[in-house]
Amino acid sequence: AQTVTQSQPEMSVQEAETVTLSCTYDTSESDYYLFWYKQPPSRQMILVIRQEAYKQQNATENRFSVNFQKAAKSFSLKISDSQLGDAAMYFCAYRSGRASGTYKYIFGTGTRLKVLA
Amino acid sequence: EAQVTQNPRYLITVTGKKLTVTCSQNMNHEYMSWYRQDPGLGLRQIYYSMNVEVTDKGDVPEGYKVSRKEKRNFPLILESPSPNQTSLYFCASSLRAGGRDNSPLHFGNGTRLTVT
Repeated sequence: AQTVTQSQPEMSVQEAETVTLSCTYDTSESDYYLFWYKQPPSRQMILVIRQEAYKQQNATENRFSVNFQKAAKSFSLKISDSQLGDAAMYFCAYRSGRASGTYKYIFGTGTRLKVLA
Repeated sequence: EAQVTQNPRYLITVTGKKLTVTCSQNMNHEYMSWYRQDPGLGLRQIYYSMNVEVTDKGDVPEGYKVSRKEKRNFPLILESPSPNQTSLYFCASSLRAGGRDNSPLHFGNGTRLTVT
Protein backbone atom coordinates (compact mmCIF):
# COMPACT_ATOMS: atom_id res chain seq x y z
CA ALA A 1 0.00 0.00 0.00
CA GLN A 2 1.10 3.52 -0.69
CA THR A 3 2.08 5.85 2.12
CA VAL A 4 2.85 9.55 2.31
CA THR A 5 5.03 10.99 5.06
CA GLN A 6 5.40 14.60 6.08
CA SER A 7 7.98 14.58 8.83
CA GLN A 8 7.75 18.26 9.78
CA PRO A 9 4.59 18.94 11.81
CA GLU A 10 5.43 22.63 11.97
CA MET A 11 7.78 25.05 10.22
CA SER A 12 8.46 28.76 10.51
CA VAL A 13 9.84 31.18 7.97
CA GLN A 14 10.60 34.86 8.00
CA GLU A 15 8.63 36.97 5.57
CA ALA A 16 10.44 37.26 2.19
CA GLU A 17 12.63 34.24 2.96
CA THR A 18 12.53 30.78 1.37
CA VAL A 19 11.27 27.63 3.04
CA THR A 20 11.15 23.99 1.95
CA LEU A 21 8.52 21.53 3.15
CA SER A 22 9.41 17.88 2.84
CA CYS A 23 7.29 14.97 1.65
CA THR A 24 8.32 11.39 1.04
CA TYR A 25 6.17 8.59 -0.24
CA ASP A 26 6.34 4.90 -0.72
CA THR A 27 4.92 3.10 -3.73
CA SER A 28 5.66 0.25 -6.07
CA GLU A 29 3.86 1.97 -8.93
CA SER A 30 5.64 3.76 -11.74
CA ASP A 31 2.72 5.89 -12.86
CA TYR A 32 1.27 8.29 -10.30
CA TYR A 33 0.60 11.91 -9.53
CA LEU A 34 1.67 14.10 -6.66
CA PHE A 35 0.04 17.25 -5.33
CA TRP A 36 0.52 19.89 -2.71
CA TYR A 37 -2.60 21.42 -1.17
CA LYS A 38 -2.81 24.41 1.12
CA GLN A 39 -5.36 24.79 3.91
CA PRO A 40 -5.51 28.31 5.39
CA PRO A 41 -7.43 29.03 8.62
CA SER A 42 -10.61 29.31 6.54
CA ARG A 43 -10.19 25.49 6.19
CA GLN A 44 -10.61 25.65 2.42
CA MET A 45 -8.40 23.19 0.54
CA ILE A 46 -6.53 24.90 -2.31
CA LEU A 47 -4.31 23.29 -4.92
CA VAL A 48 -0.78 24.69 -4.84
CA ILE A 49 1.07 22.60 -7.39
CA ARG A 50 1.00 19.20 -9.10
CA GLN A 51 3.56 16.84 -10.61
CA GLU A 52 3.22 13.87 -12.90
CA ALA A 53 5.63 11.05 -12.09
CA TYR A 54 6.43 10.47 -15.76
CA LYS A 55 7.70 14.04 -16.14
CA GLN A 56 11.28 14.64 -15.10
CA GLN A 57 10.97 18.40 -15.07
CA ASN A 58 10.06 19.88 -11.71
CA ALA A 59 6.78 21.75 -11.63
CA THR A 60 6.74 25.48 -10.91
CA GLU A 61 3.87 27.86 -10.15
CA ASN A 62 5.05 31.41 -9.51
CA ARG A 63 6.75 31.41 -6.07
CA PHE A 64 6.06 27.71 -5.56
CA SER A 65 8.23 24.96 -6.97
CA VAL A 66 8.87 21.31 -6.25
CA ASN A 67 11.94 19.17 -6.07
CA PHE A 68 10.76 15.82 -7.38
CA GLN A 69 13.23 13.01 -6.86
CA LYS A 70 11.54 9.90 -8.23
CA ALA A 71 14.25 7.42 -7.27
CA ALA A 72 14.34 8.75 -3.73
CA LYS A 73 10.53 9.02 -3.63
CA SER A 74 10.73 12.58 -2.44
CA PHE A 75 8.50 15.51 -3.35
CA SER A 76 9.44 18.66 -1.47
CA LEU A 77 7.76 22.05 -1.85
CA LYS A 78 9.81 25.23 -1.98
CA ILE A 79 8.15 28.54 -1.27
CA SER A 80 10.19 31.56 -2.29
CA ASP A 81 9.70 35.13 -1.08
CA SER A 82 7.32 33.93 1.64
CA GLN A 83 4.30 36.11 2.32
CA LEU A 84 2.01 36.37 5.32
CA GLY A 85 -0.75 34.83 3.22
CA ASP A 86 1.30 31.66 2.84
CA ALA A 87 0.65 30.79 6.47
CA ALA A 88 -1.41 27.61 6.35
CA MET A 89 -1.40 23.85 6.74
CA TYR A 90 0.20 22.18 3.72
CA PHE A 91 -0.70 18.66 2.67
CA CYS A 92 1.20 16.44 0.29
CA ALA A 93 -0.99 14.00 -1.64
CA TYR A 94 -0.44 10.95 -3.84
CA ARG A 95 -2.79 9.58 -6.46
CA SER A 96 -2.38 6.35 -8.34
CA GLY A 97 -2.33 6.27 -12.11
CA ARG A 98 -4.47 4.15 -14.38
CA ALA A 99 -2.28 1.05 -14.23
CA SER A 100 -3.07 0.41 -10.59
CA GLY A 101 -6.82 0.10 -11.20
CA THR A 102 -7.51 1.99 -8.00
CA TYR A 103 -8.11 5.69 -7.77
CA LYS A 104 -7.37 6.37 -4.17
CA TYR A 105 -5.83 9.50 -2.82
CA ILE A 106 -3.34 9.26 0.03
CA PHE A 107 -2.59 12.40 2.02
CA GLY A 108 0.22 13.16 4.41
CA THR A 109 -0.42 14.37 7.94
CA GLY A 110 0.36 17.97 7.06
CA THR A 111 2.92 20.66 7.88
CA ARG A 112 1.77 23.84 9.56
CA LEU A 113 3.68 26.79 8.15
CA LYS A 114 4.01 29.99 10.16
CA VAL A 115 5.22 33.14 8.46
CA LEU A 116 6.88 35.65 10.75
CA ALA A 117 6.64 39.36 9.97
CA GLU B 1 -19.36 29.70 -10.55
CA ALA B 2 -17.70 26.27 -10.64
CA GLN B 3 -17.87 24.79 -7.19
CA VAL B 4 -18.40 21.85 -4.87
CA THR B 5 -21.19 22.53 -2.41
CA GLN B 6 -21.40 20.71 0.87
CA ASN B 7 -24.16 21.01 3.42
CA PRO B 8 -24.41 21.57 6.28
CA ARG B 9 -21.23 23.37 7.34
CA TYR B 10 -21.75 22.48 10.98
CA LEU B 11 -23.72 19.62 12.46
CA ILE B 12 -24.14 18.45 16.04
CA THR B 13 -25.98 15.21 16.57
CA VAL B 14 -26.39 12.38 19.04
CA THR B 15 -25.14 8.85 18.89
CA GLY B 16 -27.27 6.62 16.69
CA LYS B 17 -29.27 9.30 14.90
CA LYS B 18 -28.94 8.79 11.15
CA LEU B 19 -27.63 11.74 9.18
CA THR B 20 -26.72 12.68 5.63
CA VAL B 21 -24.15 15.20 4.47
CA THR B 22 -24.87 16.36 0.96
CA CYS B 23 -22.33 17.11 -1.75
CA SER B 24 -23.01 18.53 -5.17
CA GLN B 25 -20.71 19.71 -7.97
CA ASN B 26 -21.60 21.73 -11.06
CA MET B 27 -18.51 20.99 -13.14
CA ASN B 28 -19.63 17.71 -14.75
CA HIS B 29 -16.84 15.91 -12.93
CA GLU B 30 -16.66 12.13 -13.15
CA TYR B 31 -14.76 11.55 -9.92
CA MET B 32 -16.11 12.38 -6.48
CA SER B 33 -14.81 11.44 -3.07
CA TRP B 34 -15.20 11.94 0.68
CA TYR B 35 -12.48 12.55 3.28
CA ARG B 36 -12.29 13.03 6.98
CA GLN B 37 -9.68 15.27 8.56
CA ASP B 38 -8.48 14.63 12.08
CA PRO B 39 -5.64 16.36 13.97
CA GLY B 40 -2.34 14.59 13.43
CA LEU B 41 -3.83 12.22 10.86
CA GLY B 42 -4.26 14.49 7.86
CA LEU B 43 -7.01 13.66 5.39
CA ARG B 44 -8.14 10.10 4.96
CA GLN B 45 -10.29 8.95 2.11
CA ILE B 46 -13.61 7.37 3.08
CA TYR B 47 -15.21 6.50 -0.27
CA TYR B 48 -14.81 7.50 -3.86
CA SER B 49 -16.84 7.23 -7.03
CA MET B 50 -15.51 7.00 -10.56
CA ASN B 51 -18.90 7.74 -12.12
CA VAL B 52 -22.63 7.19 -11.69
CA GLU B 53 -23.37 3.93 -9.86
CA VAL B 54 -19.63 3.20 -9.44
CA THR B 55 -18.32 3.54 -5.90
CA ASP B 56 -15.45 2.04 -3.97
CA LYS B 57 -13.98 2.08 -0.50
CA GLY B 58 -11.19 4.34 0.55
CA ASP B 59 -9.01 3.73 3.59
CA VAL B 60 -11.61 4.37 6.32
CA PRO B 61 -15.06 3.28 5.05
CA GLU B 62 -16.38 1.65 8.22
CA GLY B 63 -19.54 3.31 9.53
CA TYR B 64 -20.23 5.23 6.32
CA LYS B 65 -22.33 4.73 3.20
CA VAL B 66 -22.43 6.57 -0.08
CA SER B 67 -24.45 6.51 -3.27
CA ARG B 68 -23.97 8.04 -6.71
CA LYS B 69 -27.32 8.03 -8.46
CA GLU B 70 -26.63 11.24 -10.38
CA LYS B 71 -23.35 12.56 -11.67
CA ARG B 72 -23.50 15.80 -9.71
CA ASN B 73 -24.44 14.41 -6.28
CA PHE B 74 -22.51 12.21 -3.86
CA PRO B 75 -24.08 12.17 -0.38
CA LEU B 76 -22.35 10.72 2.67
CA ILE B 77 -24.59 8.76 5.00
CA LEU B 78 -23.90 7.88 8.62
CA GLU B 79 -26.61 5.40 9.56
CA SER B 80 -25.67 5.15 13.23
CA PRO B 81 -23.14 7.86 14.09
CA SER B 82 -20.77 7.33 16.97
CA PRO B 83 -18.52 9.81 18.83
CA ASN B 84 -15.43 8.52 16.99
CA GLN B 85 -16.94 9.90 13.80
CA THR B 86 -16.63 13.42 15.16
CA SER B 87 -14.44 15.05 12.53
CA LEU B 88 -14.13 17.58 9.73
CA TYR B 89 -15.45 16.12 6.49
CA PHE B 90 -14.62 17.18 2.96
CA CYS B 91 -16.20 16.29 -0.31
CA ALA B 92 -14.07 16.71 -3.42
CA SER B 93 -14.39 16.13 -7.14
CA SER B 94 -12.15 16.03 -10.17
CA LEU B 95 -12.71 15.80 -13.88
CA ARG B 96 -11.57 12.20 -13.84
CA ALA B 97 -9.06 10.08 -11.98
CA GLY B 98 -7.87 7.59 -14.53
CA GLY B 99 -5.49 7.73 -17.41
CA ARG B 100 -2.85 10.33 -18.05
CA ASP B 101 -4.91 12.98 -16.34
CA ASN B 102 -3.50 15.27 -13.71
CA SER B 103 -6.76 17.06 -12.93
CA PRO B 104 -6.69 18.03 -9.25
CA LEU B 105 -9.35 17.68 -6.62
CA HIS B 106 -11.77 20.55 -6.10
CA PHE B 107 -12.92 20.61 -2.49
CA GLY B 108 -16.08 21.69 -0.79
CA ASN B 109 -15.87 23.98 2.24
CA GLY B 110 -16.08 21.15 4.74
CA THR B 111 -18.61 19.94 7.30
CA ARG B 112 -17.72 20.01 10.98
CA LEU B 113 -19.56 17.08 12.56
CA THR B 114 -19.84 16.54 16.29
CA VAL B 115 -21.42 13.36 17.62
CA THR B 116 -22.24 13.37 21.34
